[in-house]
Amino acid sequence: ETGVTQSPTHLIKTRGQQVTLRCSSQSGHNTVSWYQQALGQGPQFIFQYYREEENGRGNFPPRFSGLQFPNYSSELNVNALELDDSALYLCASSPGALSSYEQYFGPGTRLTVT
Amino acid sequence: GQSLEQPSEVTAVEGAIVQINCTYQTSGFYGLSWYQQHDGGAPTFLSYNALDGLEETGRFSSFLSRSDSYGYLLLQELQMKDSASYFCAVILNKIIFGKGTRLHILP
Repeated sequence: ETGVTQSPTHLIKTRGQQVTLRCSSQSGHNTVSWYQQALGQGPQFIFQYYREEENGRGNFPPRFSGLQFPNYSSELNVNALELDDSALYLCASSPGALSSYEQYFGPGTRLTVT
Repeated sequence: GQSLEQPSEVTAVEGAIVQINCTYQTSGFYGLSWYQQHDGGAPTFLSYNALDGLEETGRFSSFLSRSDSYGYLLLQELQMKDSASYFCAVILNKIIFGKGTRLHILP
């Protein structure tokens, strides 16, 4: 059974640029959630995708967008990067939207915006 | 608003028992989860309470009281490898994590 994988592991971008982060969910999981985690803080919920549809969204501006593909992998896109977007971005999958209490996290992508 | 409060740090001795509390200001949530995160690692699921009461999983137990807006994680027979950050999270149509409690274990 393959766990959750994310790419890239590290990324450096310049303010104003756009970035795409990728996530492959655990085998058999159809729900993917994305989180932003600043140093010393808890994960902040960005949004969740269930069967290719957005199924909940946190308090993030529209420049944070996402996609889920038929194989349940997912992308997080961030436009017009700001310095405060520097953080660890975590992807987590679960067997279903109703099983979101038990999430399996990937190792994360460390994004640095300069 | 919706928020969860946890102590920022807790220190305990190896072999002892420690309780990490979580109080929340939200309603209509499905349940309370607990996650562990080691430095540089990803959060890993520990426990979930959908109903009031105690859930036990090995050395870890978790408790929920909806009437008191309160939950806790209990770690028994502490080991050095338990040194990590612990997060509570409520499940609604979104998932809200607390800021985490850093557990320090002394030999």
